[in-house]
Amino acid sequence: AQSVTQLGSHVSVSEGALVLLRCNYSSSVPPYLFWYVQYPNQGLQLLLKYTSAATLVKGINGFEAEFKKSETSFHLTKPSAHMSDAAEYFCAVTPMNTGFQKLVFGTGTRLLVSP
Amino acid sequence: EAGVTQFPSHSVIEKGQTVTLRCDPISGHDNLYWYRRVMGKEIKFLLHFVKESKQDESGMPNNRFLAERTGGTYSTLKVQPAELEDSGVYFCASSQDGGQGTDTQYFGPGTRLTVL
Repeated sequence: AQSVTQLGSHVSVSEGALVLLRCNYSSSVPPYLFWYVQYPNQGLQLLLKYTSAATLVKGINGFEAEFKKSETSFHLTKPSAHMSDAAEYFCAVTPMNTGFQKLVFGTGTRLLVSP
Repeated sequence: EAGVTQFPSHSVIEKGQTVTLRCDPISGHDNLYWYRRVMGKEIKFLLHFVKESKQDESGMPNNRFLAERTGGTYSTLKVQPAELEDSGVYFCASSQDGGQGTDTQYFGPGTRLTVL
């Protein structure tokens, strides 16, 4: 079985500050991991995904995440926050090489960016 | 290329009524998924179609929910009769390639269902 824990339902940063959104997963088999973002009144958009090719994954809009097996983590970072980054972010997992494609999501973290 | 579309965007119904949600996937995507987010909680998987066949319906909460995908194009999710706990946002997603957990799922904007 898979599960995802996102620490902090809300994270506040100032514009230009580092963004760090935490995601820890639990999986009985090696996982694929994803970060999605939802802007107001829009659907979820894929930011990046880990598929075992490289542990440091770069995504769109300057975001990246690092897969750390020993810590069962896949934290999302961005060096400098922009006002347009304000949104809700979801971490998700699906088991590797099983043919199952359903995503298991965390509860989401809302990122607030202040000027 | 048009994205995943969902209709309606909002629906307010009374307990005991019936509601049908519709999802149009990206053209050519064989895989279609339904998810639901109850307020404040995680997004949860409901079911997965490959073309017109139900590949995985392990997340369907009970037999008041009926999903169809006739002809392998658009899908409908009917709730009959609706209960208060069915309130939430229903998301539809589609993906192109089959059988790979790495496939990107493209999400629609969701239908917000409120049951009074």
